[in-house]
Amino acid sequence: DAKTTQPPSMDCAEGRAANLPCNHSTISGNEYVYWYRQIHSQGPQYIIHGLKNNETNEMASLIITEDRKSSTLILPHATLRDTAVYYCIVLTTDSWGKFQFGAGTQVVVTP
Amino acid sequence: DGGITQSPKYLFRKEGQNVTLSCEQNLNHDAMYWYRQDPGQGLRLIYYSQIVNDFQKGDIAEGYSVSREKKESFPLTVTSAQKNPTAFYLCASTVGGSSTDTQYFGPGTRLTVL
Repeated sequence: DAKTTQPPSMDCAEGRAANLPCNHSTISGNEYVYWYRQIHSQGPQYIIHGLKNNETNEMASLIITEDRKSSTLILPHATLRDTAVYYCIVLTTDSWGKFQFGAGTQVVVTP
Repeated sequence: DGGITQSPKYLFRKEGQNVTLSCEQNLNHDAMYWYRQDPGQGLRLIYYSQIVNDFQKGDIAEGYSVSREKKESFPLTVTSAQKNPTAFYLCASTVGGSSTDTQYFGPGTRLTVL
């Protein structure tokens, strides 16, 4: 399974868009990109996922580059409640036991 | 409300004692998982179960045991063989048998071994 690289931390002003990068340069054609977030001392929460196309839901947008070697999670209007650790994960449908969460990016939204 | 419950939220045990962490889901999900999280680190998979009466080891299964006698329940036992059991334990489930299914997590149990 492809490894991912994320910056350890980033700050964002409340009301502004937060753009969270993730590099997955060894991703293979059948690997999905997933994003989860974890608010302190709680269980992780699913945000969004995609394979090749850009995706959008009520929480965020996911932009995947054409070569699929990197992606960006966009929180369009960050709020204080978006302060959390954000995890980028790649996996295939047969990745049983490989759903690995790395250290993620600590996002702090400031007033 | 549907969801995953873990109990208790905080658990204290003396060194050398076995302890069992509860995980129950009423989502009718087939697969369930246990993860361990240490401070400032990501999650590491301990065990997972795709169907009742079947489970597989994850990356750090040593010192842990599980059972899956019922679809809705997946208890984790932390045995005395686990060298450093103090951690935050998270249970999760997925609706089907594909590992790309969205994982739903419980609130976690923070275990402290004294």
